[in-house]
Amino acid sequence: QVQLLESGPGLVKPSETLALTCAVSGGSISSYYWSWIRQPAGKGLEWIGRIYSSGSTDYDPSLKSRVTMSLDTSKNQFSLKLTSVIAADTAVYYCARVGRGWFHFDYWGQGTLVTVSS
Amino acid sequence: QSVLTQPPSVSAAPGQEVTISCSGSSSNIGNNYVSWYQQLPGTAPKLLIYEGNKRPSGIPDRFSGSKSGTSATLGITGLQTGDEADYYCGTWDSSLSGGVFGGGTKLTVL
Repeated sequence: QVQLLESGPGLVKPSETLALTCAVSGGSISSYYWSWIRQPAGKGLEWIGRIYSSGSTDYDPSLKSRVTMSLDTSKNQFSLKLTSVIAADTAVYYCARVGRGWFHFDYWGQGTLVTVSS
Repeated sequence: QSVLTQPPSVSAAPGQEVTISCSGSSSNIGNNYVSWYQQLPGTAPKLLIYEGNKRPSGIPDRFSGSKSGTSATLGITGLQTGDEADYYCGTWDSSLSGGVFGGGTKLTVL
């Protein structure tokens, strides 16, 4: 059973960089796409982007200038960096595996709350 | 403002059937499969339906998916109080070159 676990600071100051890591267990990070998705309190899901095991990436156009995703196959984990954060970036951040076939998310992490505040 | 449009809420009695709609365009639903997710309070979303009408292992056949043109529908039969949750549709948008979700629908089982 594939499991994903997000980790990183729960509090980030405005204008600084949000950095999260997703550790994957129970399966290899290879040959899959991996995504970050966020959810502001009381609101819907927002797709941030995806990274393939080769390192190729796609980002949401509205966040593209501030987002970087990377992965470390030796540690079976992938990461998210979001620069110049503002209060509107406060959300629960989920990592998820993109399932084989047409675009869908078959495994999700439990989510981690990141608050942007001074 | 979400790219995909869902009703904010639906409700039905236990044992009854409910449908949740998801409306999009030719760049997303019209040319891609839709997936559906169930989010119970305080938990991460869980995949219910993928590639339009496929269910992952462990998802009961009370849940079904369908599509017509640029709209998709999630159907739930034999409603149970445990089905009370938020439901989201999602797909790929070829124009945006990115994933998109609906705004979510809160299901209340009266």
